[in-house]
Amino acid sequence: SQTIHQWPATLVQPVGSPLSLECTVEGTSNPNLYWYRQAAGRGLQLLFYSVGIGQISSEVPQNLSASRPQDRQFILSSKKLLLSDSGFYLCAWGKNTEAFFGQGTRLTVV
Amino acid sequence: AQSVTQPDIHITVSEGASLELRCNYSYGATPYLFWYVQSPGQGLQLLLKYFSGDTLVQGIKGFEAEFKRSQSSFNLRKPSVHWSDAAEYFCAVRTASKLTFGTGTRLQVTL
Repeated sequence: SQTIHQWPATLVQPVGSPLSLECTVEGTSNPNLYWYRQAAGRGLQLLFYSVGIGQISSEVPQNLSASRPQDRQFILSSKKLLLSDSGFYLCAWGKNTEAFFGQGTRLTVV
Repeated sequence: AQSVTQPDIHITVSEGASLELRCNYSYGATPYLFWYVQSPGQGLQLLLKYFSGDTLVQGIKGFEAEFKRSQSSFNLRKPSVHWSDAAEYFCAVRTASKLTFGTGTRLQVTL
């Protein structure tokens, strides 16, 4: 069966520090991969999605970036965090049907 | 571009009462539609999905949803709510490789 791993579960980072959140999927190949951010009262905002290795589509211009160095690995990064980057980050995978979500990372930028 | 609207931010129902959560979408073709549920601090769990065929779809935990093309709606229903159903519910639409979510409806259940 397929599983998705996302870590860390919580993270507190100072303003201006770098960020790296990692997501890996097991039990499937060539999945679509997604990064979402959830802020209170704003639902889920699609940040990036990828349909293959090295293929990244950005939905929202910001100081975040994503990479897919391997088929089942999706990384969310920032060189310098802003206070506004605080939120709940969710990784998901899917084929051309529904998406399956990780447990999320609560990021607090202080 | 596709969009999803959930007009109710917060709904409170009594345990045992019926529930209907509203969802409207905007998309030119027949969409793939989903309902997800999220407990606090957790990821999202798929409740049900609609691709084609029967417009009334059954999901897990006793939920169902009805696709109405004429109203561009995909409302979620449950005949009798349990206290454990308290959570946030998201409607979503898939187009190509993208999954777009509504802003969610927070359900509170009173005993």
